[in-house]
Amino acid sequence: DAKTTQPNSMESNEEEPVHLPCNHSTISGTDYIHWYRQLPSQGPEYVIHGLTSNVNNRMASLAIAEDRKSSTLILHRATLRDAAVYYCILAGYGTGKLIFGQGTTLQVKP
Amino acid sequence: GAVVSQHPSWVICKSGTSVKIECRSLDFQATTMFWYRQFPKQSLMLMATSNEGSKATYEQGVEKDKFLINHASLTLSTLTVTSAHPEDSSFYICSVGASGSSETQYFGPGTRLLVL
Repeated sequence: DAKTTQPNSMESNEEEPVHLPCNHSTISGTDYIHWYRQLPSQGPEYVIHGLTSNVNNRMASLAIAEDRKSSTLILHRATLRDAAVYYCILAGYGTGKLIFGQGTTLQVKP
Repeated sequence: GAVVSQHPSWVICKSGTSVKIECRSLDFQATTMFWYRQFPKQSLMLMATSNEGSKATYEQGVEKDKFLINHASLTLSTLTVTSAHPEDSSFYICSVGASGSSETQYFGPGTRLLVL
């Protein structure tokens, strides 16, 4: 399984944008880039995914580098409820599996 | 996305007993469900892939006789922890695989198991 590298932790101020980086230099052509987040004592929550093009949804934006070796999850305006562990995961086509790394713990300060 | 529930949300049991955890897909017919385990301050670890109408596929190092998985319908998968011991205490989470090729999964709220 292709691996991702994320910073262990990041801090943000409330109502400011947050850029969460992820490196995935061994990504293959059919790997989707997924982001999930997990609040304390809850199951993970799907955030966004993409393959090659940048993606936007109501929760976040995903910016994918042209060579696909890195991506950035963008929270446009952080709130206290966005404090969570954010996981960047590569999902190979047809495997069905998500292999979780350690993720980035995001702290949001009021 | 799919709505996934788990029951119970938490359970305490004595060592040596068996515990069954249910995972239900409330609005989506799931041919594939996944079971994860998460120890405190650690990431999720995939235990097994549950396939409707067939045997589950276990990840390396996960004992299939210890963690029995049954996926008898398109909306229900169960995980039974047999002869539970304190080291089995953990947060167990299931997920439903969405249709299509993007491999998106939708997760249940988790079940916290404490074995005394």
